[in-house]
Amino acid sequence: AQKITQTQPGMFVQEKEAVTLDCTYDTSDQSYGLFWYKQPSSGEMIFLIYQGSYDEQNATEGRYSLNFQKARKSANLVISASQLGDSAMYFCAMREGRGNTGFQKLVFGTGTRLLVSP
Amino acid sequence: DVKVTQSSRYLVKRTGEKVFLECVQDMDHENMFWYRQDPGLGLRLIYFSYDVKMKEKGDIPEGYSVSREKKERFSLILESASTNQTSMYLCASSSGGENYGYTFGSGTRLTVV
Repeated sequence: AQKITQTQPGMFVQEKEAVTLDCTYDTSDQSYGLFWYKQPSSGEMIFLIYQGSYDEQNATEGRYSLNFQKARKSANLVISASQLGDSAMYFCAMREGRGNTGFQKLVFGTGTRLLVSP
Repeated sequence: DVKVTQSSRYLVKRTGEKVFLECVQDMDHENMFWYRQDPGLGLRLIYFSYDVKMKEKGDIPEGYSVSREKKERFSLILESASTNQTSMYLCASSSGGENYGYTFGSGTRLTVV
């Protein structure tokens, strides 16, 4: 079964608008971490934001925020005031376990391609 | 600027060749990983290593092996390349802290003909 599900293969948004990229996850662990990465056309994976399962507040990093709904097992990425440079693939990922060596694997979703238009 | 460097950006190899993909990190990270990325499938873990000379299979290890003789270097080996191994290969490293994600290399796009 998919551990990370991204149901939106592609999303379109106009410049300056906000956009939400969906991510749901499946785990039986109590302790886990959720990540979002951006992959521009150049190919490198850029870390955007992190949310720990015990964090009570939603994570924010500049224009990025993570809408964490633990009971629903969702971790949606919200990008405010979209810019042309936000056009890229976006991956949601989950790390299970408490960070012990050997349990640091990230499991990735299939990604969402975001296109920002002028 | 901390870095994960993959030796080749693009590679074209013939079926049956032995292929080495090299990855070097300068962050003194314990953990290193190899993923392959295919359209519609996201990133899938091939192998990872949490210490020198240690390796663990990921989700899709068949047809691959790895080597980690030094902390900073993690090599992915395709013993006999096949066309279904045509893919983007991404190397990553991690310090092991809880809120640390991975630092990725720029990727190697391998084509097997």
